[in-house]
Amino acid sequence: AQKVTQAQTEISVVEKEDVTLDCVYETRDTTYYLFWYKQPPSGELVFLIRRNSFDEQNEISGRYSWNFQKSTSSFNFTITASQVVDSAVYFCALSGTDSSYKLIFGSGTRLLVRP
Amino acid sequence: GAVVSQHPSWVICKSGTSVKIECRSLDFQATTMFWYRQFPKQSLMLMATSNEGSKATYEQGVEKDKFLINHASLTLSTLTVTSAHPEDSSFYICSATHSGRGRETQYFGPGTRLLVL
Repeated sequence: AQKVTQAQTEISVVEKEDVTLDCVYETRDTTYYLFWYKQPPSGELVFLIRRNSFDEQNEISGRYSWNFQKSTSSFNFTITASQVVDSAVYFCALSGTDSSYKLIFGSGTRLLVRP
Repeated sequence: GAVVSQHPSWVICKSGTSVKIECRSLDFQATTMFWYRQFPKQSLMLMATSNEGSKATYEQGVEKDKFLINHASLTLSTLTVTSAHPEDSSFYICSATHSGRGRETQYFGPGTRLLVL
């Protein structure tokens, strides 16, 4: 069975602090994809990153970085120098490689960045 | 690229009426579209997978006669909530995947908030 766990329900930080959002996944597939999406108060899900299971290189995009560790089945997301606009719910998701590519979502982490 | 729109963004209706929500991929062809619902402060729950030209595949517990899905073209899928009741009030979100490369990535629409009175 596939499962995604985001243990942090809510995180509150002060602007300019760094914050890491945790994501742990379970799957029996050898090939799979991991994703992070951002859901601001408006409701739309914004795609942030996709990582396939064969690519364990960490990635940095501006203030965002992702740490993929297959050994611990984790795909953590760090925001450096957080800003108020980063306030949102962040979802980690997993999909296999069957023809449907269905996403299994974690429960989400609500991030509040205070000025 | 990869823009998905939904219409309407908000709908308020009386109990017993049917509501149609449209999901369009604006700048790409989408062989597969997905429909989700999301209750406040909860995660997304997949309702069904919609493939162009074929019947939708519904997740367990989702009534296919209640939530009618039609995927008539490579850029349009519709979800009709039939005989809506207050418990159907929710946030409905669609997503679409490219029919070519990168089809493992879902791009989401802005969502439709449904309130049934």
